[in-house]
Amino acid sequence: DTGVSQDPRHKITKRGQNVTFRCDPISEHNRLYWYRQTLGQGPEFLTYFQNEAQLEKSRLLSDRFSAERPKGSFSTLEIQRTEQGDSAMYLCASSFGAGVYEQYFGPGTRLTVT
Amino acid sequence: AQSVTQPDIHITVSEGASLELRCNYSYGATPYLFWYVQSPGQGLQLLLKYFSGDTLVQGIKGFEAEFKRSQSSFNLRKPSVHWSDAAEYFCALRGSNYKLTFGKGTLLTVNP
Repeated sequence: DTGVSQDPRHKITKRGQNVTFRCDPISEHNRLYWYRQTLGQGPEFLTYFQNEAQLEKSRLLSDRFSAERPKGSFSTLEIQRTEQGDSAMYLCASSFGAGVYEQYFGPGTRLTVT
Repeated sequence: AQSVTQPDIHITVSEGASLELRCNYSYGATPYLFWYVQSPGQGLQLLLKYFSGDTLVQGIKGFEAEFKRSQSSFNLRKPSVHWSDAAEYFCALRGSNYKLTFGKGTLLTVNP
């Protein structure tokens, strides 16, 4: 059983550049979530999808952030005009159904903005 | 609003000793509760979950947790810690809107 995968695992970028991360959920999972984790903190919810529909966005997700899930399969998270405050671990998770199913996390993408 | 508090930022135990990590939550109804473990630079691995029913739940790697509604707690326990248990542990709550709310985590150090 293939787990959640994320690419790249690490990204170093200069302030002002755009970056895009990809998440591939577990194949039969229809829900996909993005979280952000900064040093010394627990993950914080950013957004989630049910199939291709983006159902909720956190106020943490500024206008510079956009997420998509075309065809309800993989998802991308793009950050435009990166700032040093965007440096964090970006975690993707997926779950099956809308019930009490647990979320399974990927290994994360570590973003460093210099 | 929902919140999770992990009162202990860092705990050190000796290998073979028992372990208890504390978790308190705030939520207006019966929550769904989870414990995850994170090794350095890695994602989160689910240890166990509580949805309903029996308040003592068993998980992987010999961990268990007890849900106490009266104390709004969901503490994680292990009778005998192994060096490989050293990691960061996160308690999380899932309310009616599907997203998880995490505590700030407890870093576990295991001394030989």
